[in-house]
Amino acid sequence: EVHLVESGGGLVQPGGSLRLSCAASGFTFSSDWMSWVRQAPGKGLEWVANIKQHGDEKHYVDSVKGRFSISRDNAKNLLYLQLNSLTAEDTAVYYCAKVTGGAFEWGQGTLVTVSS
Amino acid sequence: QSALTQPASVSGSPGQSITISCTGTSNDVGDYNYVSWYQQHPGKAPKLIIYGVSNRPSGVSYRFSASKSGNTASLTISGLQGEDEADYYCCSHTGSGTWVFGGGTKVTVL
Repeated sequence: EVHLVESGGGLVQPGGSLRLSCAASGFTFSSDWMSWVRQAPGKGLEWVANIKQHGDEKHYVDSVKGRFSISRDNAKNLLYLQLNSLTAEDTAVYYCAKVTGGAFEWGQGTLVTVSS
Repeated sequence: QSALTQPASVSGSPGQSITISCTGTSNDVGDYNYVSWYQQHPGKAPKLIIYGVSNRPSGVSYRFSASKSGNTASLTISGLQGEDEADYYCCSHTGSGTWVFGGGTKVTVL
């Protein structure tokens, strides 16, 4: 069974940085694309970024390009999202997801709040 | 990277069938069979209910079915039950390794 556990969320000031982690288990982590998806309070889902199996291909939604960076450590079964230059619009629950054949399987999420 | 278009809300009585539409473009829904649907109850993580346009994962009720025609995908919930009351999101590949979600549809069981 796929098990994904996000961590690293919290309160951060505008302009600040945060690194989110996602610990994966129950599947062969190095075999799958992984994604981050976020959900602002009371809003819908927004795909943020994804990374290929060995980290040699990455993609981002336009609104985070140049500010966020996705990475992975296949030896440790960990997915990361580095968030820089944060604004209030980045406040959201951030979910990591395993992506296979277009099917997203989700963790429980970690809340990032950007506020002074 | 515009969100796919879903109705904000759909409602139905227990036992009825409802359909949720998800309209994209020829660059996403119309061009790829990587369309999926997710159910989300309040305060919970989304749950995969349909992938590859019309495939149900193991453990998902047969009452959920889906299809695609042109640039529009559709999710049908038959035999509506109280536990189906939730938010539903569609998702499509957009090419160039990116993905887009719909705005979400709130399903209310009357």
